[in-house]
Amino acid sequence: AQSVTQLDSHVSVSEGTPVLLRCNYSSSYSPSLFWYVQHPNKGLQLLLKYTSAATLVKGINGFEAEFKKSETSFHLTKPSAHMSDAAEYFCVGGGNEKLTFGTGTRLTIIP
Amino acid sequence: EAQVTQNPRYLITVTGKKLTVTCSQNMNHEYMSWYRQDPGLGLRQIYYSMNVEVTDKGDVPEGYKVSRKEKRNFPLILESPSPNQTSLYFCASSDPISPLHFGNGTRLTVT
Repeated sequence: AQSVTQLDSHVSVSEGTPVLLRCNYSSSYSPSLFWYVQHPNKGLQLLLKYTSAATLVKGINGFEAEFKKSETSFHLTKPSAHMSDAAEYFCVGGGNEKLTFGTGTRLTIIP
Repeated sequence: EAQVTQNPRYLITVTGKKLTVTCSQNMNHEYMSWYRQDPGLGLRQIYYSMNVEVTDKGDVPEGYKVSRKEKRNFPLILESPSPNQTSLYFCASSDPISPLHFGNGTRLTVT
């Protein structure tokens, strides 16, 4: 069985500073991992996905994530936060028919 | 425009009054699913469908029904809603090579 754990329920950063949203996974096999973003009153939008082709995955809007098997981590980063990045972010594991969602991290951007 | 459309966006109802939340996708996707989102719990899968007339239970199916008579539609039915089904509901669809596409959500309140 696969599970994902988001280590922070809330993260606040100042505009222009780096963003780090943490996610650990547990899986008995090579996982598929995703990051989704949810803006207020909107559905979830895919930021990026890892499917074992490369450990560093680049996504939309300047986000990227690195798969580290030794640490069972898939943290999401962005070098410089923008006000429009304020949203809730979900780390997700598994295949489409059976996805396991983390509990979410709410990102606040301080002007 | 490729999209997943849910209706209604907001619904307030009373305990025991049957309701249906509709979901339609225009991408000819075979796979569709329903999730509920609750604070601190992330998204949990209610039901999913791999194709027409093929449906299966997710993690929290109790109190819900679904049907898949056509490829594009996947309605969620609450025969006798209860207050613990107050939640934000999302429909999603995909095909084998694409990530999930989510609708914008239906906020249901059962009093």
